[in-house]
Amino acid sequence: RKEVEQDPGPFNVPEGATVAFNCTYSNSASQSFFWYRQDCRKEPKLLMSVYSSGNEDGRFTAQLNRASQYISLLIRDSKLSDSVTYLCVVNLRGSSNTGKLIFGQGTTLQVKP
Amino acid sequence: DADVTQTPRNRITKTGKRIMLECSQTKGHDRMYWYRQDPGLGLRLIYYSFDVKDINKGEISDGYSVSRQAQAKFSLSLESAIPNQTALYFCATSDSLGQGFTDTQYFGPGTRLTVL
Repeated sequence: RKEVEQDPGPFNVPEGATVAFNCTYSNSASQSFFWYRQDCRKEPKLLMSVYSSGNEDGRFTAQLNRASQYISLLIRDSKLSDSVTYLCVVNLRGSSNTGKLIFGQGTTLQVKP
Repeated sequence: DADVTQTPRNRITKTGKRIMLECSQTKGHDRMYWYRQDPGLGLRLIYYSFDVKDINKGEISDGYSVSRQAQAKFSLSLESAIPNQTALYFCATSDSLGQGFTDTQYFGPGTRLTVL
């Protein structure tokens, strides 16, 4: 089983739709969580961190469910510019206190006009 | 100007050649990283450096070496390139506010390497 799993998609939605992605992680020692966006093999950029209480940034809402070991990203009112790959990233606590960062393979979203 | 730059942006080389990929940053970050990205796989960490005198192996360091020449420069070398090292390589930096890998990663534009 992969340490971080995402449905690769693509998810095809019309402009203005609401879409949600899930990401599951296998290690309960995971410490912090992030969503990055990556546009067509360009560099990944941080979209938002994911906090235990859930957090919102404009049209984007992130949720964390530690009991079921998944995080989610909800996008409301989808725009054409949201058509990128969303990377789920998990920081795994390590015995050396350094830990490691695990990237999911990404979920691709295609927003159609 | 970009905060994190990588050279070259594209490179085609032959099996057995030594290749160096360079990364420079103007963000003033102590921490720097090298990743590779392959289709269908997440980014995987090759090496990381939390300061100039600190170099650590990542998940997939075999066949690679690094040099941290200064706070702003971190280079990745493929000693003897092989075809399965064909990938997209990213350099990244982060602040050192948090422990380990908890801070935001800022990525360079990537180097597309093809080994024939």
